[in-house]
Amino acid sequence: EADIYQTPRYLVIGTGKKITLECSQTMGHDKMYWYQQDPGMELHLIHYSYGVNSTEKGDLSSESTVSRIRTEHFPLTLESARPSHTSQYLCASSESGDLYGYTFGSGTRLTVV
Amino acid sequence: QKEVEQNSGPLSVPEGAIASLNCTYSDRGSQSFFWYRQYSGKSPELIMSIYSNGDKEDGRFTAQLNKASQYVSLLIRDSQPSDSATYLCAARSNDYKLSFGAGTTVTVRA
Repeated sequence: EADIYQTPRYLVIGTGKKITLECSQTMGHDKMYWYQQDPGMELHLIHYSYGVNSTEKGDLSSESTVSRIRTEHFPLTLESARPSHTSQYLCASSESGDLYGYTFGSGTRLTVV
Repeated sequence: QKEVEQNSGPLSVPEGAIASLNCTYSDRGSQSFFWYRQYSGKSPELIMSIYSNGDKEDGRFTAQLNKASQYVSLLIRDSQPSDSATYLCAARSNDYKLSFGAGTTVTVRA
């Protein structure tokens, strides 16, 4: 049973539309992350948060933005979708401390046409 | 230099054989290491974590860590077709982020 939820699971949207990808977790984790992954390719960190009102850009430049108003919720927004944004977006969370790995959500597969 | 490097693969093994996956990391300050399994089109799933030098066994999986050599490995014994997936090695840095390798794709031949 997943404790981190992403919606929608699949999304096809037209160029120029604004979209928000939802991510929620019920584990009370402080740390949350967004990754972008193309099929067969590496994970790329695009945003992360270490707590409420804390957000940082990741290693991969992204035109998306994130917010962290509540511990459990970490949505990602694209103001104007482009075909280059077509990818899989994975949300993850972790507890604080060295011993914990990430728990990933099921992902959102985004196609911009 | 990437922070985490994995043997490029793909790795093809017969059913019942041992699959051996290797990983090196560059940050000597990394203290914890993780192996994830990712099936095609799915999200990564944590299968092993290791923090101390030596071996850690969990079922058919054995993780090995050598901090002096900055080397982590994963052995899959008695490989099954259901083990066919991409395996990601990750190292945790001091800022709590995980650095992931590019992954090694394993195919188990029936």
